[in-house]
Amino acid sequence: EDQVTQSPEALRLQEGESSSLNCSYTVSGLRGLFWYRQDPGKGPEFLFTLYSAGEEKEKERLKATLTKKESFLHITAPKPEDSATYLCAVQASPGGYQKVTFGIGTKLQVIP
Amino acid sequence: NAGVTQTPKFRVLKTGQSMTLLCAQDMNHEYMYWYRQDPGMGLRLIHYSVGEGTTAKGEVPDGYNVSRLKKQNFLLGLESAAPSQTSVYFCASHHRTGAGELFFGEGSRLTVL
Repeated sequence: EDQVTQSPEALRLQEGESSSLNCSYTVSGLRGLFWYRQDPGKGPEFLFTLYSAGEEKEKERLKATLTKKESFLHITAPKPEDSATYLCAVQASPGGYQKVTFGIGTKLQVIP
Repeated sequence: NAGVTQTPKFRVLKTGQSMTLLCAQDMNHEYMYWYRQDPGMGLRLIHYSVGEGTTAKGEVPDGYNVSRLKKQNFLLGLESAAPSQTSVYFCASHHRTGAGELFFGEGSRLTVL
């Protein structure tokens, strides 16, 4: 059974204090690993897709990396507007999106 | 563009009542999905559709039915609501060749008393 474990469950940072969120996964064959951002009362918003170990992607203050067992979402010099819940998901291969397993998420709070 | 629109956003039902959630997307996506999100659990797939006129069961389909009569609409029905169906429901869609990017609606919060 595919599994996604995110840690920590919650993280509180001071503005400008860089940190990382972890996503550990087990999947029969990885087709893709996804990061989403979810604001309170809203639907998840897509951030990144990573396909293979060693791959990295960046967007503003966020950088996602991937190994064979986990992914990290690095947040550099965060701002209060980065406060949100960050979801990790894996898509097994073979399979379409019905094979996507989501983690519970990490709730990030950035304090001014 | 509106993207993915869900109606209603909030609903309170009594046990045994029925209702339908509507999802509409204006991006001409082939694939559409219904998820539920509960505290302490990741998003779980209820039903999905790979094109107009098709539907399939996801991880937690019991107690729900769906229909996709038009490409842009995906309906989720509860025939006899139960308290265990209290949840936030999200509709999502993506293009056939979409590289991992699911577009989500803003959610429908359902409470069953």
